[in-house]
Amino acid sequence: NAGVMQNPRHLVRRRGQEARLRCSPMKGHSHVYWYRQLPEEGLKFMVYLQKENIIDESGMPKERFSAEFPKEGPSILRIQQVVRGDSAAYFCASSPGGLAGTDTQYFGPGTRLTVL
Amino acid sequence: KQEVTQIPAALSVPEGENLVLNCSFTDSAIYNLQWFRQDPGKGLTSLLLIQSSQREQTSGRLNASLDKSSGRSTLYIAASQPGDSATYLCAALLTGGGNKLTFGTGTQLKVEL
Repeated sequence: NAGVMQNPRHLVRRRGQEARLRCSPMKGHSHVYWYRQLPEEGLKFMVYLQKENIIDESGMPKERFSAEFPKEGPSILRIQQVVRGDSAAYFCASSPGGLAGTDTQYFGPGTRLTVL
Repeated sequence: KQEVTQIPAALSVPEGENLVLNCSFTDSAIYNLQWFRQDPGKGLTSLLLIQSSQREQTSGRLNASLDKSSGRSTLYIAASQPGDSATYLCAALLTGGGNKLTFGTGTQLKVEL
């Protein structure tokens, strides 16, 4: 059973370009979470999605960031018009769903975004 | 708002030493507390998860304890080895906070030969 997969592992963009980060959850998992780790900071929650639904986006910046988890295919975190401050490691986690507090999240290897 | 703090931020110990990493959280209404390991440039590996009803969990040389009332968790590493060198993160899952984890900023551990 493959773990959570993220691609690309490293992404370089110039200021103003778009970045698309992909996350394929573990087989059988229908819940996806995105976290961001800025340099010298801890991981911060961004968004929580189930198939075709955004459940909690309280950690998403108000502008330029969006996330989706379509019925088919991976979850996508999209950053439009990237700025240098977006440079960070972006981690995806997935869980099978279930009772609150028992739904363990499994993390992917992350995508390291560098904005030049 | 839940805040999670880890002390110390960095720790260097000689091989073979037993050590304790500390994690404190401000809101005791948690489902569980989880410890992760992160190697440089890599993802997160889950080490131990303690449910709020539990006091401790053990896996090999690792032992994690939880004192919900005081808002503290500790990760005890016995007989440390150079391969234990990594950043250790704790994360709390709040009740009523959806399913998002709140992470501490980590303790960077170096075990020297």
